[in-house]
Amino acid sequence: NAGVMQNPRHLVRRRGQEARLRCSPMKGHSHVYWYRQLPEEGLKFMVYLQKENIIDESGMPKERFSAEFPKEGPSILRIQQVVRGDSAAYFCASSQDWNNEQFFGPGTRLTVL
Amino acid sequence: AQSVTQLDSQVPVFEEAPVELRCNYSSSVSVYLFWYVQYPNQGLQLLLKYLSGSTLVKGINGFEAEFNKSQTSFHLRKPSVHISDTAEYFCAVSDPRRTGNQFYFGTGTSLTVIP
Repeated sequence: NAGVMQNPRHLVRRRGQEARLRCSPMKGHSHVYWYRQLPEEGLKFMVYLQKENIIDESGMPKERFSAEFPKEGPSILRIQQVVRGDSAAYFCASSQDWNNEQFFGPGTRLTVL
Repeated sequence: AQSVTQLDSQVPVFEEAPVELRCNYSSSVSVYLFWYVQYPNQGLQLLLKYLSGSTLVKGINGFEAEFNKSQTSFHLRKPSVHISDTAEYFCAVSDPRRTGNQFYFGTGTSLTVIP
């Protein structure tokens, strides 16, 4: 059973471009979480999604960030008009149910030039 | 919201010596507690978790942690560390009553094992 997959592993964008980060949860998992890890900091919760629904987006910045988890395909974290402060590692986690263990992917490291 | 404090940002320790990484959380209500390890440029790997039951939890790679409700602590210990234990360690808390069960992470402790 493959683990949580994230791609790309590394992403470089110039200021003002868009970044799209993908997360494929573990097989059988329908709950996805996105976290951001800024340099020298712990992970901060961003958003929690189930298939086709955003359940909790209390950690998402109000502008430029959006997330989706369509019925088919991976979950996408989208950052529009990236700025240098968006440079971070973005981790996705999945779980079988909302109160089950979360399994983490390897992360996508975004660098904004 | 929960908060998690890892008091030690960096812990150097000699190989085969014991180590304790400290973690305190803010809430006095029932919580789930976790320790994760992160090797350079990798994702998080679960070391151990406390959901309920025995307050002493054993995990992988010889690590264990003790849940202390009165002190709201969940310190991680290993009696004898190995070079391969050098990594970043994160304590995390979740609230099982809350739909979504988002994790709250500490800022991490960088463990360096010295040969």
